[in-house]
Amino acid sequence: TQLLEQSPQFLSIQEGENLTVYCNSSSVFSSLQWYRQEPGEGPVLLVTVVTGGEVKKLKRLTFQFGDARKDSSLHITAAQPGDTGLYLCAGRFGNEKLTFGTGTRLTIIP
Amino acid sequence: SAVISQKPSRDICQRGTSLTIQCQVDSQVTMMFWYRQQPGQSLTLIATANQGSEATYESGFVIDKFPISRPNLTFSTLTVSNMSPEDSSIYLCSVSQGNYGYTFGSGTRLTVV
Repeated sequence: TQLLEQSPQFLSIQEGENLTVYCNSSSVFSSLQWYRQEPGEGPVLLVTVVTGGEVKKLKRLTFQFGDARKDSSLHITAAQPGDTGLYLCAGRFGNEKLTFGTGTRLTIIP
Repeated sequence: SAVISQKPSRDICQRGTSLTIQCQVDSQVTMMFWYRQQPGQSLTLIATANQGSEATYESGFVIDKFPISRPNLTFSTLTVSNMSPEDSSIYLCSVSQGNYGYTFGSGTRLTVV
């Protein structure tokens, strides 16, 4: 079973600050996705990255896929209370099933 | 993307009993996936359900404990059998949407007392 380690596990910051969440594996991903999950709901897809070095932006969120396709980061600029939630990376190794990361619980304090 | 209706949304059950969770998808899908998410933690795949064949279970999960039905391309059930407090968790069904990633139901929060 492949392991995806996310850091930090918990993060609590003030509204307006910036933050970065990391997702790391010892194996190469064929693709990687980021999800956000709010209480009482299932995870919702934010982005899919496929190419090493790829950078995607979604409003205040910037996603980067490492050159070697073993790691990824999610950067949030000017965090807002609506960004609060559980952030999960999920990687596919070859044609195997999707494996979810350990999760980062983010709290934005108004 | 697909819309999944999952029920019940939550339940409190006595140990030793069984609970069946249902997922209905608004479009036909080949595979449906069942996950468990323990409080505050990530998702662990229980099994993959294909229509017309037995589900494929991940390591640590067995059919006798988590029987799955997949009678057609839009519906699946997961039963949690002979429950114990350790089964208290959130159970989620999902479908793959290709480039749109996985779509999830809203989950079933199970508490076993």
